[in-house]
Amino acid sequence: EAAVTQSPRNKVAVTGGKVTLSCNQTNNHNNMYWYRQDTGHGLRLIHYSYGAGSTEKGDIPDGYKASRPSQENFSLILELATPSQTSVYFCASGRGDNYAEQFFGPGTRLTVL
Amino acid sequence: GDSVTQTEGQVALSEEDFLTIHCNYSASGYPALFWYVQYPGEGPQFLFRASRDKEKGSSRGFEATYDKGTTSFHLRKASVQESDSAVYYCALAVNTNKVVFGTGTRLQVLP
Repeated sequence: EAAVTQSPRNKVAVTGGKVTLSCNQTNNHNNMYWYRQDTGHGLRLIHYSYGAGSTEKGDIPDGYKASRPSQENFSLILELATPSQTSVYFCASGRGDNYAEQFFGPGTRLTVL
Repeated sequence: GDSVTQTEGQVALSEEDFLTIHCNYSASGYPALFWYVQYPGEGPQFLFRASRDKEKGSSRGFEATYDKGTTSFHLRKASVQESDSAVYYCALAVNTNKVVFGTGTRLQVLP
C-alpha cells in the first residue's frame, strides 16, 4: 500500500477561490514537505513541518499556508488562488536526518482558471 | 544559498548507450547528495545517496561518485534501457530538514 497519499489528484479552481490540498503518510515520519513542480524549475519547497503542530516556510511560501494537525496529515492551503499557482504539487515525508531520503506522494495537478 | 545545477535539460539516447547526466552543487556546509528518479504520472522516488567525499552511490545499474574537489555528483549508467526513460533529479541536503533539488533532466531512451 502507498505510504504517502494525496487528495485530490486533480483539481480545477477559480481565481480568488480557496483550495486545500491534503496529504497523509503512514511512514510515521516526523517531517513532511510540500513542493511544487514546474518545467524549468524542478521541485521547489513551499512549506515543511517537523511534526504535529509545526509548520515552517520553505523557499517559495508566498500565497500558501500549511497545517499539520497530526503526525499523519499535512495540508497545503491556498486562501486566494491565482493562475500563477497552476502547477503539480507533491507531498513528501522523511525521517528528518541529513542522510534520509524523502518519500513522495503521487502528486496533485492543480489548475487555477 | 545552497544550489544544484543540472546542465542537461533533456537527453536522448538509444538502448545500450552510455549515460552521463551532470550534476554540480554549491553548499555552505558538507552536504549529503542524492539522485531521485520520476517516472511519468508518479512522484519522485529515491535512487541512491552519498554522504562523504569519494563515496560511490549506486542502484539499478546507475552510479555516481561524490567529488568534493569538483563539487560534482554525476549520474552514470553503462547501458540504458527503454524502461530507464524518466526525469532524473540531483539533490543535496545540508541540514536536517531541507533538501534542495536541481531542475531535473528528462531522459528519453529510444528502442
